Amino acid sequence: NAGVTQTPKFRIPKIGQSMTLQCTQDMNHNYMYWYRQDPGMGLKLIYYSVGAGITDKGEVPNGYNVSRSTTEDFPLRLELAAPSQTSVYFCASSYSRDSETAFFGQGTRLTVV
Amino acid sequence: GNSVTQMEGPVTLSEEAFLTINCTYTATGYPSLFWYVQYPGEGLQLLLKATKADDKGSNKGFEATYRKETTSFHLEKGSVQVSDSAVYFCALLGSGGSYIPTFGRGTSLIVHP
Repeated sequence: NAGVTQTPKFRIPKIGQSMTLQCTQDMNHNYMYWYRQDPGMGLKLIYYSVGAGITDKGEVPNGYNVSRSTTEDFPLRLELAAPSQTSVYFCASSYSRDSETAFFGQGTRLTVV
Repeated sequence: GNSVTQMEGPVTLSEEAFLTINCTYTATGYPSLFWYVQYPGEGLQLLLKATKADDKGSNKGFEATYRKETTSFHLEKGSVQVSDSAVYFCALLGSGGSYIPTFGRGTSLIVHP
């Protein structure tokens, strides 16, 4: 019963590098989300998806891209890593728009150097 | 839009002390309200929830009551333990089409023996 799995747990890209954070869920959830967590700032929504092939911007989408080719996977891509993207990234999923609970991955700590 | 305001931390208590973490919200309609807990190095986990006015959510000795008249959902525990040290997030899932969870900034709780 894996739930939401994020990889890698840690990453230290150089400025200007591109990279992808992976997220997979095995609960057949329709909705998936990417949040970033900055110290003392709570969670800010980057992108979300309501199903395979459908994605939309959240509160802070600039510098990121997503795709949702399958129900299970929702990767987050950083095209040109910047120091402002240093953060902890959480992927989450939920079953439906009326779902009462979002399930979270363990997070990816990203430090751009 | 929807928003959640939490008291700033850190909250530092001695073991067996009484805990209150304040949370107020702004939302249209009748949102569901949640408390999530994040232990060090982990993702967020649902702690408790309430889906309508005057409901009380409870789990692991924690309680919170959905107060529509004061738009509040304060978290309480009668006797905290060292193992309760974590970051606590208040969140809402709005009604009326807003199906993306909105989180407060989180409140760090530190419990000393």
